[in-house]
Amino acid sequence: AQSVAQPEDQVNVAEGNPLTVKCTYSVSGNPYLFWYVQYPNRGLQFLLKYITGDNLVKGSYGFEAEFNKSQTSFHLKKPSALVSDSALYFCAVRAPGFNDMRFGAGTRLTVKP
Amino acid sequence: EPEVTQTPSHQVTQMGQEVILRCVPISNHLYFYWYRQILGQKVEFLVSFYNNEISEKSEIFDDQFSVERPDGSNFTLKIRSTKLEDSAMYFCASKLPGANQPQHFGDGTRLSIL
Repeated sequence: AQSVAQPEDQVNVAEGNPLTVKCTYSVSGNPYLFWYVQYPNRGLQFLLKYITGDNLVKGSYGFEAEFNKSQTSFHLKKPSALVSDSALYFCAVRAPGFNDMRFGAGTRLTVKP
Repeated sequence: EPEVTQTPSHQVTQMGQEVILRCVPISNHLYFYWYRQILGQKVEFLVSFYNNEISEKSEIFDDQFSVERPDGSNFTLKIRSTKLEDSAMYFCASKLPGANQPQHFGDGTRLSIL
C-alpha cells in the first residue's frame, strides 16, 4: 500500500520568510515522490519530483524539497515566500510498479504581506 | 506547452441521470487517469487507463463508473445513476511512460448533482 500524510491543514507565513510544507510517506520499496500546487478553480500543477539521486530536489518557482529516507519525509521548502505562493499544496507518492499516485490531504499555504 | 483539456468546465445534472465527462489528454501521452476532489479537499484516485484498458482502480470506482477512449484523442468518464454525493471536481490527467514522469492535470469539471 502507498500513502502520504500532510500533517498540517494550514501553514501561514509572512512574505519574505522561509516556508516549509510537510509531507511523510509510506510505501513498499523506493518511492517516487511529487509535489503539486493547486490555485483556485484550477487543476494541479506539477512542481517537482524525487525519483533517485540527490536528496535535495529543485523545482518550479524557487521551490525545493528534501527527501529523507530515514524519516520517510519529503518536505517542500522555499527560502523566501511570496504572496503569490498562496495556494493548496499536495504531496503525492507512487510506489514502484504502480502507475497511479496517492495524494495527501493537502496543505493550504497563506503568505501574508 | 501542451495541456490536458476537459469539457465541460461545469456540469449540472439531476440526480439519477447519467453524465459523461470529457478529456483530451496530451497527444503523445499513453497513461490516463481520473481523480475526484470534493470541495477543495483531498484528491482521490479513481482509475488509470493504459493500452485501452483499465490498469488500476480504487474502491470508489464501482459499477456506477466507466471509462472509455473512443478515439485517438478523447478519454471519457461516464457516471450512471448519479447521486448527490457524486458532486465534486473531476480531474483528468495523463503522462508519458516511465515511473519518473509526472502526471499532467486538466483544470477539471465541476459536477453538481441536484
